[in-house]
Amino acid sequence: QKEVEQNSGPLSVPEGAIASLNCTYSDRGSQSFFWYRQYSGKSPELIMSIYSNGDKEDGRFTAQLNKASQYVSLLIRDSQPSDSATYLCAVNKGGFQKLVFGTGTRLLVSP
Amino acid sequence: GAVVSQHPSRVICKSGTSVKIECRSLDFQATTMFWYRQFPKQSLMLMATSNEGSKATYEQGVEKDKFLINHASLTLSTLTVTSAHPEDSSFYICSARIGTNYGYTFGSGTRLTVV
Repeated sequence: QKEVEQNSGPLSVPEGAIASLNCTYSDRGSQSFFWYRQYSGKSPELIMSIYSNGDKEDGRFTAQLNKASQYVSLLIRDSQPSDSATYLCAVNKGGFQKLVFGTGTRLLVSP
Repeated sequence: GAVVSQHPSRVICKSGTSVKIECRSLDFQATTMFWYRQFPKQSLMLMATSNEGSKATYEQGVEKDKFLINHASLTLSTLTVTSAHPEDSSFYICSARIGTNYGYTFGSGTRLTVV
C-alpha cells in the first residue's frame, strides 16, 4: 500500500465547474496535510495546508480533512483553464519532518 | 513570503562529470532542507534530508557517495551529482520549511541532462 494515494486522472471538468480532488494516506501518525499545484516543467507551489479535521477555505479552494477516514480532499470552485495542472497531495508527521507525496492528479479544465 | 532560490535552472553535462546544484533560503534560515528528484510524469521522490552542520540523511536506495549533500550554513545547501550518467538526467528540486505553521516552499528546480 502506498503511503499517499491519488487517482492519476486526468480529471476533466468544464470551465466554471467544481473540481474535486481526493487523496488517502496510510499513516495514522500523519499530522500535516498539503495540496500543491505543479505545472509541467515547474516546481510545486503550495495551494493549501490543513492540520485539523474539517474544512478550510481560501478563495476558490477548500481543503477537507477527515483523519478517521485518513482522507483529504481539495475542492476548486469556478474552475478556470489556468487551473489545469497536476495537483499533488503531501503529508508529514509534523514539525520539520519529510513530506511524502502522492503521485498527483492531473486536472484538465476545458474552456 | 519565504523564498528558496535554486541554481542553475538548467544544466547539460557530459557523462562522467560532476554537477553542483545550489539552494539558498533568501529571507529565512533553513536548518533543514529536502532534496527531491522527479522523473517525467512521475511524482517527487525524496532523495535526502539535509541538516545544517551535520550529515545528510539519505532515503533508501539513494547512493550517498554519488549524490553529495553539503549544508554548511543556515541559508545554503548544495547537491553534487558525481560521475553523472544519462540515467541521472532528471528534475532536481530542493525544499525548506520556515515554521510548523507554514507549508514547505520549493526552489524552482534544476533540469539536469547528462549526455
